[in-house]
Amino acid sequence: GDSVTQMEGPVTLSEEAFLTINCTYTATGYPSLFWYVQYPGEGLQLLLKATKADDKGSNKGFEATYRKETTSFHLEKGSVQVSDSAVYFCALSVNTGGFKTIFGAGTRLFVKA
Amino acid sequence: DTAVSQTPKYLVTQMGNDKSIKCEQNLGHDTMYWYKQDSKKFLKIMFSYNNKELIINETVPNRFSPKSPDKAHLNLHINSLELGDSAVYFCASSQDARSTYEQYFGPGTRLTVT
Repeated sequence: GDSVTQMEGPVTLSEEAFLTINCTYTATGYPSLFWYVQYPGEGLQLLLKATKADDKGSNKGFEATYRKETTSFHLEKGSVQVSDSAVYFCALSVNTGGFKTIFGAGTRLFVKA
Repeated sequence: DTAVSQTPKYLVTQMGNDKSIKCEQNLGHDTMYWYKQDSKKFLKIMFSYNNKELIINETVPNRFSPKSPDKAHLNLHINSLELGDSAVYFCASSQDARSTYEQYFGPGTRLTVT
């Protein structure tokens, strides 16, 4: 079945460090891919998305590229800030007779000053 | 001007009680969802409605019953609450049920069953 696997956390970085959170997926059909972020005590909000192969989503310094050949959508940021501390969810959405969005398990990021 | 709102934000109740959570979206979206997030942050779809019609009904105990009186509202009623129902419940909406559209989440309702 369709699934999303993302790296386990927590990830702890110092401010201005480079961030990578790995995400790979399994899907029938042609999924759209998303990264959502959840700040403490809040609901999820969309960070970026890509709807077809080789698309790059970007927002607030975060980027992810839809790689069909490696079925991956890794999240990167060149220089993290303390305010980036949150839980990050990779997700896929695909219409295959039915429709649903499947979320990864989430990766908690702590950024130290 | 909150896009997706839920009430209540916190709900503490005893086992065996019946409770409801309400959700409203003012984005004009056609599709709404209920998710359950456990203590490890794992997020699982429970139900989805498109224009008041149920389109996703995951393996959820039939003690959980969603109701959509119109496309802007999706409520969740839970009968005979159990300890394992303790979680954060999120409502979400999207423009429609197509896969390319992102979802907008409410702030969550933290349910604690004692």
